[in-house]
Amino acid sequence: NAGVTQTPKFRVLKTGQSMTLLCAQDMNHEYMYWYRQDPGMGLRLIHYSVGEGTTAKGEVPDGYNVSRLKKQNFLLGLESAAPSQTSVYFCASEPGIVANEQFFGPGTRLTVL
Amino acid sequence: GQNIDQPTEMTATEGAIVQINCTYQTSGFNGLFWYQQHAGEAPTFLSYNVLDGLEEKGRFSSFLSRSKGYSYLLLKELQMKDSASYLCAVKDSNYQLIWGAGTKLIIKP
Repeated sequence: NAGVTQTPKFRVLKTGQSMTLLCAQDMNHEYMYWYRQDPGMGLRLIHYSVGEGTTAKGEVPDGYNVSRLKKQNFLLGLESAAPSQTSVYFCASEPGIVANEQFFGPGTRLTVL
Repeated sequence: GQNIDQPTEMTATEGAIVQINCTYQTSGFNGLFWYQQHAGEAPTFLSYNVLDGLEEKGRFSSFLSRSKGYSYLLLKELQMKDSASYLCAVKDSNYQLIWGAGTKLIIKP
């Protein structure tokens, strides 16, 4: 089992460019999450999904969109990147929401110039 | 608002014991988690507490007091590989994880 994988691992964008981050999990988990991690701050939830075809906003959703067309994949899109979106992005999955740990992907380091 | 507080950085000596504290104020409580995160890597699960008391798992133990909004992670027989950040997180009434900023633990020989 690969667990949770993310592509790409690193990316540099110019302001205004767009990109999609891909998260895939092979554990048949229902719940998937996108977080960003910035220095001195806790992980902040961007968007999440409670199952195939569903998405919901988290704490910091502005400037991001997501899709979960297949249960195993959760995509995070930046339509027009801004320097404030420079961060490390983590995807996580969870089998259920009660008493379950979240499993994290290795992260994507994004720099927006 | 919701808030999780933990010390920014701690230093300890190899072979010693260290206690990392976490206090929380959240809308609802559905469990408290501790994760370990090595520099440049993803967080990995360490422990889960939902009832008051101590949970022991090898060299690591985690304690919870719901009435005080307080938890600690106790690491015994410290090893150099324990140098990492330790993240405290609480599941709120919506079952969303609220994360602390993490405590960077530095182990000295």
